[in-house]
Amino acid sequence: DAGITQSPRHKVTETGTPVTLRCHQTENHRYMYWYRQDPGHGLRLIHYSYGVKDTDKGEVSDGYSVSRSKTEDFLLTLESATSSQTSVYFCAISGGLAGSYNEQFFGPGTRLTVL
Amino acid sequence: AQTVTQSQPEMSVQEAETVTLSCTYDTSESDYYLFWYKQPPSRQMILVIRQEAYKQQNATENRFSVNFQKAAKSFSLKISDSQLGDAAMYFCAYMGETSGSRLTFGEGTQLTVNP
Repeated sequence: DAGITQSPRHKVTETGTPVTLRCHQTENHRYMYWYRQDPGHGLRLIHYSYGVKDTDKGEVSDGYSVSRSKTEDFLLTLESATSSQTSVYFCAISGGLAGSYNEQFFGPGTRLTVL
Repeated sequence: AQTVTQSQPEMSVQEAETVTLSCTYDTSESDYYLFWYKQPPSRQMILVIRQEAYKQQNATENRFSVNFQKAAKSFSLKISDSQLGDAAMYFCAYMGETSGSRLTFGEGTQLTVNP
């Protein structure tokens, strides 16, 4: 299994507070992704990174920002959390040394509840 | 934009029998990948099977096989000899040649396996 960890694994916060989720990989994969999973929607891409300091928006990026200052870490920030951002968040990676850009490996997920 | 549709929110199958999960997609690209992911109650996303659009032969992985109909933009998953451990949410996903390795997911199908 790819070495991907997410922290925290569970978080409860209040509306209006900032929240940062961390994705850490030990696989030296080039690409990293943040998805959110909601009932009836599957997983939807929030932001992704194609290298250090190179990021781009996904289909549901409003209210989220990301940063990638080194290969192994990809941070997702909710500047001011809202109840609509209650979800399960998944990090994924692809593009390792074997060049497997057409397969993504997923982290264990973070359940975020915004009250 | 590409879309992926899973029209069966829930399916059930008897242990040892065969079940087919449906997936359709919409794209204008000629080269792409299609995937089926399994998500058991542990929430971990597990790649079940992958199909490359330029390959006419349907992919097979042990008890899992696909029926890929490129002209119809259909990509169904057949699970043979169903086992209790196959019970999970199944997601169909698309990755296009111009998508930068990003995945577009369907809404998911919850599979129940009855003993």
